[in-house]
Amino acid sequence: AQSVTQLDSQVPVFEEAPVELRCNYSSSVSVYLFWYVQYPNQGLQLLLKYLSGSTLVKGINGFEAEFNKSQTSFHLRKPSVHISDTAEYFCAVTPRYQAGTALIFGKGTTLSVSS
Amino acid sequence: DTAVSQTPKYLVTQMGNDKSIKCEQNLGHDTMYWYKQDSKKFLKIMFSYNNKELIINETVPNRFSPKSPDKAHLNLHINSLELGDSAVYFCASSQPGGGNYGYTFGSGTRLTVV
Repeated sequence: AQSVTQLDSQVPVFEEAPVELRCNYSSSVSVYLFWYVQYPNQGLQLLLKYLSGSTLVKGINGFEAEFNKSQTSFHLRKPSVHISDTAEYFCAVTPRYQAGTALIFGKGTTLSVSS
Repeated sequence: DTAVSQTPKYLVTQMGNDKSIKCEQNLGHDTMYWYKQDSKKFLKIMFSYNNKELIINETVPNRFSPKSPDKAHLNLHINSLELGDSAVYFCASSQPGGGNYGYTFGSGTRLTVV
């Protein structure tokens, strides 16, 4: 079974500051890793995903994440945030090579960007 | 041409009623899912279907019954609605082993039971 822990439930930052949202996972098998964003009253939008290869993954809206296998982490970063980045962010995993497996989500991190 | 579409977007109903939420995807994906997002925003898998076959059936009350008439559709029927069923329900789809293709989510159905 897989599990995801998002280490911060809320992250308040000022506009143009850097931000890191932390995600650790647990799994007995290899996994794919994802970050999704949910803006208020909207659905889930894929920010980025790690499948294989380079451990630094670049996504949309200037976000990037680094996969660290030894620490079983997949932290999300942005060098300079905007007010419009205020949203809920979800880290998720799914086992590789298994048909019909669902995404397992962390409990989410609320990013609040203020001016 | 929405990839994963859910209807209705909002649903307000009384306790004890029966209601359905419909989901359709035009991505050609083989696998579809229902997730429940509770008031604390936690997303929990409820069901998944792969090419009309039930794959995942998490510990969900029997009042919830998914139905997949074909691989492009996955509907959710809920009997005898309770206050605790109030949540946002998301439909999603993916290819088998979804990672390579990602998972695409619908915009959600906000169910309010009064």
